[in-house]
Amino acid sequence: EAGVAQSPRYKIIEKRQSVAFWCNPISGHATLYWYQQILGQGPKLLIQFQNNGVVDDSQLPKDRFSAERLKGVDSTLKIQPAKLEDSAVYLCASSNGGTQYFGPGTRLTVL
Amino acid sequence: GENVEQHPSTLSVQEGDSAVIKCTYSDSASNYFPWYKQELGKRPQLIIDIRSNVGEKKDQRIAVTLNKTAKHFSLHITETQPEDSAVYFCAASRNNDMRFGAGTRLTVKP
Repeated sequence: EAGVAQSPRYKIIEKRQSVAFWCNPISGHATLYWYQQILGQGPKLLIQFQNNGVVDDSQLPKDRFSAERLKGVDSTLKIQPAKLEDSAVYLCASSNGGTQYFGPGTRLTVL
Repeated sequence: GENVEQHPSTLSVQEGDSAVIKCTYSDSASNYFPWYKQELGKRPQLIIDIRSNVGEKKDQRIAVTLNKTAKHFSLHITETQPEDSAVYFCAASRNNDMRFGAGTRLTVKP
């Protein structure tokens, strides 16, 4: 069974630029999550999708972050414009009602 | 919402000794408690999980205990090995809504 795929693996941008991350969950997993993991901290949930609908986006900074999962499979997370404090690893995870499986993450550095 | 506290933040043990990491949660409706291991630069990997209808679960050298009344759960690693060195995260979940603890950095000295 293929795992959660994410791209790119690394991204370096300057502040005020835009960036987008892509996630392909495990086939058949209805729930998809985006987490932000700052160095030395636990993953912080940004947004949770159930199929193509948003279940929880209470911790998503909506003035600059957006996410979509239009067809209920792949998802993209966008930051526009980026700030220095957005430097982190962005993890995508998927589940089918229980265990969450994580992708390799995208390490974002904002200069 | 759910709040998960994890202790200690760092733990150093000698190879062969046991390691215990403890977590508390605030939402009594949480019913699923996974533990993840994250090695440097890698993704979190599930190592063991427990559901609220079970008090204890064991898998070889790893065990998890859950006290629903007190709202705390613990990870126990016996006969630790250097390859157990990593950051361990606990989490508590209700209806697929999961919150993570801040992590424990475990170092096993050979």
